[in-house]
Amino acid sequence: EAGVAQSPRYKIIEKRQSVAFWCNPISGHATLYWYQQILGQGPKLLIQFQNNGVVDDSQLPKDRFSAERLKGVDSTLKIQPAKLEDSAVYLCASGSQSGGYGDTQYFGPGTRLTVL
Amino acid sequence: GNSVTQMEGPVTLSEEAFLTINCTYTATGYPSLFWYVQYPGEGLQLLLKATKADDKGSNKGFEATYRKETTSFHLEKGSVQVSDSAVYFCALRRTGRRALTFGSGTRLQVQP
Repeated sequence: EAGVAQSPRYKIIEKRQSVAFWCNPISGHATLYWYQQILGQGPKLLIQFQNNGVVDDSQLPKDRFSAERLKGVDSTLKIQPAKLEDSAVYLCASGSQSGGYGDTQYFGPGTRLTVL
Repeated sequence: GNSVTQMEGPVTLSEEAFLTINCTYTATGYPSLFWYVQYPGEGLQLLLKATKADDKGSNKGFEATYRKETTSFHLEKGSVQVSDSAVYFCALRRTGRRALTFGSGTRLQVQP
């Protein structure tokens, strides 16, 4: 079974530029998450999708961050314009619904963003 | 709100030593609890989980018991190996929710 795919793996941009990250979840997984992991901290949820609908985006800085999941499969996360404090690893995870609320989240390798 | 507190690292041990990484949580209701591990250069992987009080999760020689009375989920291993060197994250999932709340992580370094 293929895992969660993310691209790019690394990205360096200047502040005020825009950037987009892509995620392909495990086939058949209905739930998709984007987490932000700042160096030295644990991952923090940005947004959660169930199929192609948003379930929770309460911690997404909506003035600069946006995300979509078209057709309930792939997802993109965009930052525009980027700030220095956006430097972090952006993790995508997916999960199935079959196991109820105890089901496992599978994480991708992450995209490391550096904002100069 | 919900939060997870882990002991700060790095934790440095010799091979075959006993490991304990402390984790306590704050949450309403009855959350599920998890330990995730991140090996160097790899993504987060689920290590073990427990979904109700007094449950014990175990995997690869690691164990953790869900203690509701002390709101804790400490990770233990009787004899660590160099290959266990990684960052360990404690996490909770609120009742009725799917997203995880993570602790800040504890780096474990095992020396031969």
